[in-house]
Amino acid sequence: EPEVTQTPSHQVTQMGQEVILRCVPISNHLYFYWYRQILGQKVEFLVSFYNNEISEKSEIFDDQFSVERPDGSNFTLKIRSTKLEDSAMYFCASSELAHTDTQYFGPGTRLTVL
Amino acid sequence: AQTVTQSQPEMSVQEAETVTLSCTYDTSENNYYLFWYKQPPSRQMILVIRQEAYKQQNATENRFSVNFQKAAKSFSLKISDSQLGDTAMYFCAFMKHGSNTGKLIFGQGTTLQVKP
Repeated sequence: EPEVTQTPSHQVTQMGQEVILRCVPISNHLYFYWYRQILGQKVEFLVSFYNNEISEKSEIFDDQFSVERPDGSNFTLKIRSTKLEDSAMYFCASSELAHTDTQYFGPGTRLTVL
Repeated sequence: AQTVTQSQPEMSVQEAETVTLSCTYDTSENNYYLFWYKQPPSRQMILVIRQEAYKQQNATENRFSVNFQKAAKSFSLKISDSQLGDTAMYFCAFMKHGSNTGKLIFGQGTTLQVKP
């Protein structure tokens, strides 16, 4: 069965460094999402994306964050200058034909900012 | 703003027994979707069951069923004949109907341990 994949599984970075988290959504899906979960807290919506445009972004998703679909298969989340509070598990998800379709999640990338 | 609350951080159940996980939500919307997602240890979240608020009938999926009480804003998940593979974190989630953004709002999660 097709799955959403994410790389790396764990990323350690120094505060102030840029990181790029990568996701490969399910191949025929058109809608893409990033969520994050700080340890011990709720899973929070970051951003949704369709047709090369952001559909919605949360207030967490400030100017330090950006998303891109650089080719037909990858969907990336970039954090330009990481802060300690960006340490979290980041989940990518995709849905097929509409934002209201079921979202399929990747296994997550654990980001640790030192 | 919508909120989702899962008041049981942890639960356990004996194999083959039935367990119910609670979820309440707050919204002023009349139409919306509700979801239960399961996250096994070190694995990705997968959809367990989905309910559309305008449908009266409670959704079921094999051993999983929901008790959707719209007036009470309650959406509990019942797992019958629990199996060891049901051990996981379970998340309740909300989405506005007709959402053009796909934003899911999650509860805090309930860790379920199925004991042999």
